[in-house]
Parts: sequence; structure tokens; C-alpha cells
Amino acid sequence: SQQGEEDPQALSIQEGENATMNCSYKTSINNLQWYRQNSGRGLVHLILIRSNEREKHSGRLRVTLDTSKKSSSLLITASRAADTASYFCATALGTGNQFYFGTGTSLTVIP
Amino acid sequence: DGGITQSPKYLFRKEGQNVTLSCEQNLNHDAMYWYRQDPGQGLRLIYYSQIVNDFQKGDIAEGYSVSREKKESFPLTVTSAQKNPTAFYLCASSIKRQETQYFGPGTRLLVL
Repeated sequence: SQQGEEDPQALSIQEGENATMNCSYKTSINNLQWYRQNSGRGLVHLILIRSNEREKHSGRLRVTLDTSKKSSSLLITASRAADTASYFCATALGTGNQFYFGTGTSLTVIP
Repeated sequence: DGGITQSPKYLFRKEGQNVTLSCEQNLNHDAMYWYRQDPGQGLRLIYYSQIVNDFQKGDIAEGYSVSREKKESFPLTVTSAQKNPTAFYLCASSIKRQETQYFGPGTRLLVL
């Protein structure tokens, strides 16, 4: 089964509003990463947060990590139409080499 | 211009045919990965390689093969044994394991 699960599956908001999406995972992680994918394109890395970190910021993006709840959230503030995309979390476990991707949240920002 | 490239953008496969997807990177990354993405789904790992001449199976390696003869190149062959190959294939690289992955633009494989 997949390690990461995003919630909600789909989100539609007006331009200027904030968008929050969540990721839950099942086992202890070394780090968690968020990626964006525009339709039919490759993934673009947004933020990496390590297991000993609780919050990271990058521009309009804020990521939190709660290892006790095995969950992370991605907040996009002041959303723009260009933020319309699918957002995936990916977890890196133990000493393994793999990342485990969730099924993604599809975000639509309405101009 | 540093980056990771994939070719072709679209690929058509006939029944019983093997096809090869190209992935090249000039980022000097040690690790490279192949993922498969089905509509509305997340990414599933096919194969990964941490170093030249070494690669490991991912979760869905059956019907696929890879090689890593050069650091820059990690081609994926979809064999005739893969009965449901229609999908979007993504190649990625990272400087080392568990670090940020950089993705190519993808190859969409369709069956005729």
C-alpha cells in the first residue's frame, strides 16, 4: 500500500484565498517532500522537510510536519491561477533508497 | 543548461514489441529513478540506480528492464512481457538517495 495519502483529493478555491492540503503516512520517515505537477508534465520539487524539523517556509509556501501524528500539511497563501496543479507528498523511509508518493491533491484556483 | 531530458515525448508500441525510453541528465547526479504514473494516480517506482552499473527493482519492475552504463544515462525498456504498458513514464535524478529529485518532462506510452 502507498505510504503517503493526500487529503483532499480535489480542492477548488478563488484566487487570493489560501489553500491547505494534507499528507498522512504510515511509518517513521527521514524526510518528507512536496512536489507540484502541472497537467501532462514532470514533477517540480517544492520543499523538503526533515524528520527533526517542524515547519519550513518558501515564498508563499508553508509546510508543517507532525511526526507524532504522522502527517504534514502544505499551505499556499494568496493563491494564483498559476498554482493550479496536482500536489504530491513523498516520503523517504529508513535506510532505503525509495520515495513513496501519495495519490495527490488536485488544486484548481479560479481567477 | 543543466537538467534532465526524456525522449520521445510520445511513444507508440505495437503488440509484442519492445520499446526503449531515453533518460539523460547533466546534473552530475549519482541516483536515477524510473516511475510510472497512471491517470489520477501517484507515482510508482519501476527501477532505481544509485551508481553506474548497479540498479535495483522497485515495486513494479515486472515487464521492464534498465541499464546504467553511464552516469548520465538510464534508459528504460518496456518489454512485451508488460501487458498493460499504457501510462506516463517519468525519469528522475537526485544527488544522492533520499534527497530532492529532479524530474524530466515525461514520456507518454500508448499501445496501438
